[in-house]
Amino acid sequence: AQSVTQLGSHVSVSEGALVLLRCNYSSSVPPYLFWYVQYPNQGLQLLLKYTSAATLVKGITGFEAEFKKSETSFHLTKPSAHMSDAAEYFCAVSFSGGYQKVTFGTGTKLQVIP
Amino acid sequence: DSGVTQTPKHLITATGQRVTLRCSPRSGDLSVYWYQQSLDQGLQFLIQYYNGEERAKGNILERFSAQQFPDLHSELNLSSLELGDSALYFCASSAGLASDTQYFGPGTRLTVL
Repeated sequence: AQSVTQLGSHVSVSEGALVLLRCNYSSSVPPYLFWYVQYPNQGLQLLLKYTSAATLVKGITGFEAEFKKSETSFHLTKPSAHMSDAAEYFCAVSFSGGYQKVTFGTGTKLQVIP
Repeated sequence: DSGVTQTPKHLITATGQRVTLRCSPRSGDLSVYWYQQSLDQGLQFLIQYYNGEERAKGNILERFSAQQFPDLHSELNLSSLELGDSALYFCASSAGLASDTQYFGPGTRLTVL
């Protein structure tokens, strides 16, 4: 069985501060991991995905995530938060390599304080 | 604009009814995915089609069915609707089965009264 746990349903950071959104996974086989973002009243957008090619994955809008097998983690980071980063972020896992049969986390709402 | 279109944007119906949600993928994309986002269940993968064939099933109820047509658009049919089916239904598309990226439509908000 596969699952992801997102620590913290709400995270607040000051504009310009480091953003760290935590995700831990559970998978009986090598996982494929994803981060999605959902801006208010909008659809989802794929930020980045890990497919074992490189442990550090760079995504759109300055975000990146590092796959750490020893910690079963795939945390999302951005060095400097911008007001436009305020959104809900979802971590997801699959064992297929594609986007099918992904299991999503419960989401983390990021608030950016000016 | 992701290039994925979904209609209708909003749908309000009554329990026991049947509705059809439509999705048009980005031009050239062969793979279509359906997801449900509800307050109770969160985000769930429902089903995937690739070039007209069903490729993967997730937590899709037996009351729900989908298909992908020769022109690659897809429809999600929801029948015998219950209050708990109220949710946002997203469609996404990708070029292939393991493409670099995936594009989402704006969603259809279904309200069952």
